[in-house]
This record gives sequence, C-alpha cells and structure tokens, in this order.
Amino acid sequence: DVKVTQSSRYLVKRTGEKVFLECVQDMDHENMFWYRQDPGLGLRLIYFSYDVKMKEKGDIPEGYSVSREKKERFSLILESASTNQTSMYLCASSLSREGETEAFFGQGTRLTVV
Amino acid sequence: AQTVTQSQPEMSVQEAETVTLSCTYDTSESDYYLFWYKQPPSRQMILVIRQEAYKQQNATENRFSVNFQKAAKSFSLKISDSQLGDAAMYFCAYRTAPLAGGGADGLTFGKGTHLIIQP
Repeated sequence: DVKVTQSSRYLVKRTGEKVFLECVQDMDHENMFWYRQDPGLGLRLIYFSYDVKMKEKGDIPEGYSVSREKKERFSLILESASTNQTSMYLCASSLSREGETEAFFGQGTRLTVV
Repeated sequence: AQTVTQSQPEMSVQEAETVTLSCTYDTSESDYYLFWYKQPPSRQMILVIRQEAYKQQNATENRFSVNFQKAAKSFSLKISDSQLGDAAMYFCAYRTAPLAGGGADGLTFGKGTHLIIQP
C-alpha cells in the first residue's frame, strides 16, 4: 500500500512563527503536492513538485514556500504564520506515468495560528 | 484554467436508497482524467472511482458508478444501496493527462458535497 505520512495531525503556532509541515511518501512517486482545505472552498493547490529540487506554484502560493531535497520528502513552509493560514493542510503524491494518475493523500494536518 | 463545480453542498438519502451527486467541469483539453474522492470524518481522502476522458464507457466500482457526458462536461456519481459508511464529503476532481516528458499538474477539486445517510 502507498503510504503518505504527514508529521503532525494537529499543530498550534503563534502569529509570526516559522512553521514547517513535513510530508513523506514511501512509493517512489515523482510528484508531490500540498493542498489547503477550507470549509466551502474545497481543496486548493498551494505548491507541487515533479522532481527533486523542482517546484511549481499552484493556485494560492502566497505566504508559503516549499522544499524538496529528497524524492520522498516534501516540506511546506510558512515563513511567518498568520491567522488566515489557519486551515487543514493535505499532502499528496502520484506517479507521472500514463494511466497512473491517482493521487494518494496523507491524513492531513490541522494547523491553528493564534 | 480548469474549474470544477459541485452544485450540491449537501445531500441526504435514506439507507439502501440510491443517490446521485453532480459535478460539472470546464476545460479546453481533450485528454484528461476525472475522479471522485471520499473524505470521511477521519479526514483520509479515499479514491472512489476514476474515469479517463478517452473512454466512452462509464466507470463502475461495485455500488459506485459514474455518468460521464464528455460533450456536456458532466461527471455525476451514483451510489446505489447507500450504506451508513458512505456518509462523508465527496469531492469531484479533474486532472490533465500526464505530460509526455514528465512533470505534473495537481488535481483541481470542486468544493465538495456533504452526503448524509439517514438510517
């Protein structure tokens, strides 16, 4: 079974703190994604990566950065956390091969910024 | 940019009945994939069913089936014999076909439909 693991299920941080959300996948997937989920808005793509050290902006990258130093790990960084970044964060991974399009998700991190 | 619209924020169905969740999308691509994901209270996103745009036959997975109308850009999910365990948020999602040279696009999601199963 593919496993995508996010380092924390719940996190509480203070405004202005630098926050790291970590995600690890164990199936050698090329692609990794960070989504933000808010009630009534669905899931919105923050950043994605299709290879080590490669990153692409998604739909809502402002206030976030990412790091992918190893294939299995994709980190989301909030440089200076703000209360409007309180949300559920979901990491996902997938293959790039034709026909292999399913994305596998982690269990989510509920981040509260106070 | 692609958009995915789920017009039903919440649906309710009696146990053992059939329910259909609606999804429409907008794209200029000809080759793409469509998905329905389920998110129960545990928050784990689970793939329910997948449809390749080039396949005319509607996908089916046990009690779950889709009605894919490519020209109308419609992709509805039918759940037959609803069970209490089907209660969840359901998300429709779109993805362009993988690029020939590698690379990826993320999934574009709808806002979700909250499905309630009445015992």
